[in-house]
Amino acid sequence: EAGVAQSPRYKIIEKRQSVAFWCNPISGHATLYWYQQILGQGPKLLIQFQNNGVVDDSQLPKDRFSAERLKGVDSTLKIQPAKLEDSAVYLCASSLPGVYEQYFGPGTRLTVT
Amino acid sequence: AQKVTQAQTEISVVEKEDVTLDCVYETRDTTYYLFWYKQPPSGELVFLIRRNSFDEQNEISGRYSWNFQKSTSSFNFTITASQVVDSAVYFCALSDMYSGGGADGLTFGKGTHLIIQP
Repeated sequence: EAGVAQSPRYKIIEKRQSVAFWCNPISGHATLYWYQQILGQGPKLLIQFQNNGVVDDSQLPKDRFSAERLKGVDSTLKIQPAKLEDSAVYLCASSLPGVYEQYFGPGTRLTVT
Repeated sequence: AQKVTQAQTEISVVEKEDVTLDCVYETRDTTYYLFWYKQPPSGELVFLIRRNSFDEQNEISGRYSWNFQKSTSSFNFTITASQVVDSAVYFCALSDMYSGGGADGLTFGKGTHLIIQP
């Protein structure tokens, strides 16, 4: 069974530029999560989807971050405009309905200069 | 609000020693789930174990064991006879159950960097 796929794996941009990350969850996983992991810290939840609906986006900085999951499968996370403090690894995870383990992708390492 | 505390920032032991990673959590919910994840140098988070708040039975899986004590809000993880391949950052995490029947997003601790020296 294929795992959670993410692209790109690495991205370097200048501050005030825009960037987008893509995630394809494990087949059949209705719940999808985006996390931000700053160096030396644990991941922090940004947004949670159940199918194509948002369950929790309370920690998403909505003035610059947006996310969508239009067809209930893959998802895109966007930052516009980026700030230096957005430098982090962005992790995507997915889980089956009624199952509590989340399975993580390899992440996208973003560097904002 | 939920909180997970991993007081040990870094632990270094010699191979074959036993090592215990501590985790203390805070939550107002009566039903919740606790997890341990491993993050090796490659960076991908690997799921190790999940425990439910209503099941305090401890568990052993090979060289790994977990001690869940609700009375002290702790969920500690022990590796017996450690090996160099166990070197990684280990995260303890907490999740509630949301109305849709699945798990809420995870609240992670800051992680413990475990170094196993040959």
